[in-house]
Amino acid sequence: GAGVSQSPSNKVTEKGKDVELRCDPISGHTALYWYRQSLGQGLEFLIYFQGNSAPDKSGLPSDRFSAERTGGSVSTLTIQRTQQEDSAVYLCASSLVQPNNSPLHFGNGTRLTVT
Amino acid sequence: AQSVSQHNHHVILSEAASLELGCNYSYGGTVNLFWYVQYPGQHLQLLLKYFSGDPLVKGIKGFEAEFIKSKFSFNLRKPSVQWSDTAEYFCAVNARGNNRLAFGKGNQVVVIP
Repeated sequence: GAGVSQSPSNKVTEKGKDVELRCDPISGHTALYWYRQSLGQGLEFLIYFQGNSAPDKSGLPSDRFSAERTGGSVSTLTIQRTQQEDSAVYLCASSLVQPNNSPLHFGNGTRLTVT
Repeated sequence: AQSVSQHNHHVILSEAASLELGCNYSYGGTVNLFWYVQYPGQHLQLLLKYFSGDPLVKGIKGFEAEFIKSKFSFNLRKPSVQWSDTAEYFCAVNARGNNRLAFGKGNQVVVIP
């Protein structure tokens, strides 16, 4: 079956521009996560969606970052007025939440480069 | 919030050598523990997990990990590595009932043929 799909796979943008990153989770997975992976920094939690519940936004690094999940499926992560420190690989993952200890299935990520 | 520590970020070893990667977490309650692996050019995938029961967990490709509650540790081991084990390994923890998964910074493992 299809895994988690992310697009674009690579994005180069100029400082100050806005970008949108897309994630298509595995069908039937109710939980969706965004992480950021920077070189040597591991995975940094950004935001978590679970069904119709209010998302856990506690990991978003600034108000330039926002995310939404429409219809409980596709999610977009938006970064406004990009800065060079936003350059990283942005990973999306989904999981079954019943039970709530299900492993995450990751996409291949979007490599964002801010010039 | 829980945090995860992984030491020895870069590990280089020869085929057939034994591998042990340390993972320590800071959270006093009940936790779920995971090791994820990212092979070159591939996405992160689950290697093994511990939820409850036998603290010695066996995963894919001959890997195992032992949960030692008193030491807040979940170290990963493989008795004899292969070149194909070259990858980055991440330990992850979430508090039971909380779906936010915290990752360590990873161990980059290079196995020399």
